[in-house]
Amino acid sequence: GAGVSQSPSNKVTEKGKDVELRCDPISGHTALYWYRQSLGQGLEFLIYFQGNSAPDKSGLPSDRFSAERTGGSVSTLTIQRTQQEDSAVYLCASSPQVGPYEQYFGPGTRLTVT
Amino acid sequence: EDKVVQSPLSLVVHEGDTVTLNCSYEVTNFRSLLWYKQEKKAPTFLFMLTSSGIEKKSGRLSSILDKKELFSILNITATQTGDSAVYLCAVIKETSGSRLTFGEGTQLTVNP
Repeated sequence: GAGVSQSPSNKVTEKGKDVELRCDPISGHTALYWYRQSLGQGLEFLIYFQGNSAPDKSGLPSDRFSAERTGGSVSTLTIQRTQQEDSAVYLCASSPQVGPYEQYFGPGTRLTVT
Repeated sequence: EDKVVQSPLSLVVHEGDTVTLNCSYEVTNFRSLLWYKQEKKAPTFLFMLTSSGIEKKSGRLSSILDKKELFSILNITATQTGDSAVYLCAVIKETSGSRLTFGEGTQLTVNP
């Protein structure tokens, strides 16, 4: 079946602009996660959604970052007033539910802020 | 502060060699440890380990967890060039709602 998809695959933006990154999880997966991978660093948790529960936003680095998940499926990560330090690969993952389950990752969006 | 440390950070071997990658962790309320392989962008799942001392095996790859000494190893035997990738270790806590805390990864290069 279809895996996790993300769009765009690459995004170049100017400092100060807003960007939206999209994630389509695997159908039927109720848990959805966003991670960030900066050059030379491991993956850093940003936010996760589980069904209709309030999301865990504890990993968001600043209030310029926000995310929503509509209809329990597609999620959008928004970065306002982008800064150069926001340049990274943004990865989305989904799992059947929250718990000790394997997380399936999408191909990521490479964001470059110039 | 939770910590996941992988070693070595990079490793270069020849085809046919056996490699051992290490992952140590210091986390409260540990639940499980996971290994992923990342070749380009999307990490792909290898193993999830929850119980100590039970080896998980898939083809030439195997992994084991030691919850007393707080580490895991990933073994790859008879390495092939297709094994070249970054290998990521991550932990899940009982109280974190399944968010993964990752190590920095080990960059493995297998030369022909």
